[in-house]
Amino acid sequence: ETGVTQTPRHLVMGMTNKKSLKCEQHLGHNAMYWYKQSAKKPLELMFVYSLEERVENNSVPSRFSPECPNSSHLFLHLHTLQPEDSALYLCASSQDWAGSSYNEQFFGPGTRLTVL
Amino acid sequence: GIQVEQSPPDLILQEGANSTLRCNFSDSVNNLQWFHQNPWGQLINLFYIPSGTKQNGRLSATTVATERYSLLYISSSQTTDSGVYFCAVDGGGADGLTFGKGTHLIIQP
Repeated sequence: ETGVTQTPRHLVMGMTNKKSLKCEQHLGHNAMYWYKQSAKKPLELMFVYSLEERVENNSVPSRFSPECPNSSHLFLHLHTLQPEDSALYLCASSQDWAGSSYNEQFFGPGTRLTVL
Repeated sequence: GIQVEQSPPDLILQEGANSTLRCNFSDSVNNLQWFHQNPWGQLINLFYIPSGTKQNGRLSATTVATERYSLLYISSSQTTDSGVYFCAVDGGGADGLTFGKGTHLIIQP
């Protein structure tokens, strides 16, 4: 595997379900990100992790819970979601999260989530 | 936070045509990237270009950081160029990338 991978690619869940999205990067990067892309809206940053520490939480509801067990893996745990949470969830990684003069981000293919 | 505006929002061209996509941003940036999002949602890196000019095949990009804009040029368009093109900037700090709303490009055969 190369680059950034995400599983599952598609997910349908009910509002009472609990599920998790997984992201893995094979680039040796230190920073990982979750973004949300809703219809008709720009991509929105949700969470930033640097060296497994959360450094940014952009006022995301608590029904989204991130976890970064090591610098290669990032999870997004989902529980009691709402239909308006249906969106494409994208994971990205970069060499460093801030203060670096070279900080290109690479994205995974995304998980398309539908909440019924 | 930093604002990013892309124009035009939609563009329909015939195969073989050239196009210019524009990205304006409201403050100085450490990083600017252009992406192509394919119909399956994958964001494909086109350019990392906080300043200067780069070329990759039929695509090229120029960022004039002092005037806070970037241009993406597509020459001799092909139907596979269709999709949404995003400009994204990193203004520094902990905000990650701020994306524009994108340009939806359709190349007709």
